[in-house]
Amino acid sequence: GQQLNQSPQSMFIQEGEDVSMNCTSSSIFNTWLWYKQDPGEGPVLLIALYKAGELTSNGRLTAQFGITRKDSFLNISASIPSDVGIYFCAGRSLGGSQGNLIFGKGTKLSVKP
Amino acid sequence: KAGVTQTPRYLIKTRGQQVTLSCSPISGHRSVSWYQQTPGQGLQFLFEYFSETQRNKGNFPGRFSGRQFSNSRSEMNVSTLELGDSALYLCASSEQGRGTEAFFGQGTRLTVV
Repeated sequence: GQQLNQSPQSMFIQEGEDVSMNCTSSSIFNTWLWYKQDPGEGPVLLIALYKAGELTSNGRLTAQFGITRKDSFLNISASIPSDVGIYFCAGRSLGGSQGNLIFGKGTKLSVKP
Repeated sequence: KAGVTQTPRYLIKTRGQQVTLSCSPISGHRSVSWYQQTPGQGLQFLFEYFSETQRNKGNFPGRFSGRQFSNSRSEMNVSTLELGDSALYLCASSEQGRGTEAFFGQGTRLTVV
């Protein structure tokens, strides 16, 4: 089946540093979504991307929909302690189950003050 | 607008029992999807309902079922519970499900003992 490879699995960074994480797919996607999940809570949508090459920002967060339509990345600039959490990418493929989001395994971010 | 509401938040059941979880989507959203989240498998798609009809289904056994009511509220049912069904069950709503953002509830933490 379709798989999403998300990397890195975890990151330990100093407050103020920039963060970059990415997802690659074995097939073409028409939608990429980035979520953040805190312990015991549901994922919160950060950024949605719908077009190859699209670059979208949400405050200190920036995400891009790769030109090949098989990848996406998320950057967080000037990290702060509240950025701690697990970040998930999710994609929706061109054909097949349009309502079905496929998720990466997540990137666990730890920020040292 | 109120967000996605899932009830109950926590549930403990015994192996062999059945359980029903409830999800109220964001007002105006007609698509409701269900996901199972476990540490080992991550977030996996269960099924999607749109206008009271199941539109997509993931690779889960028939013990997992769902339905959607005319007000878009959805329930999922798991019969003959197994220990491996212990997970966070997440519901996501979107306006139409296809090519639109999905917003998650806080989830129901199910523990099977």
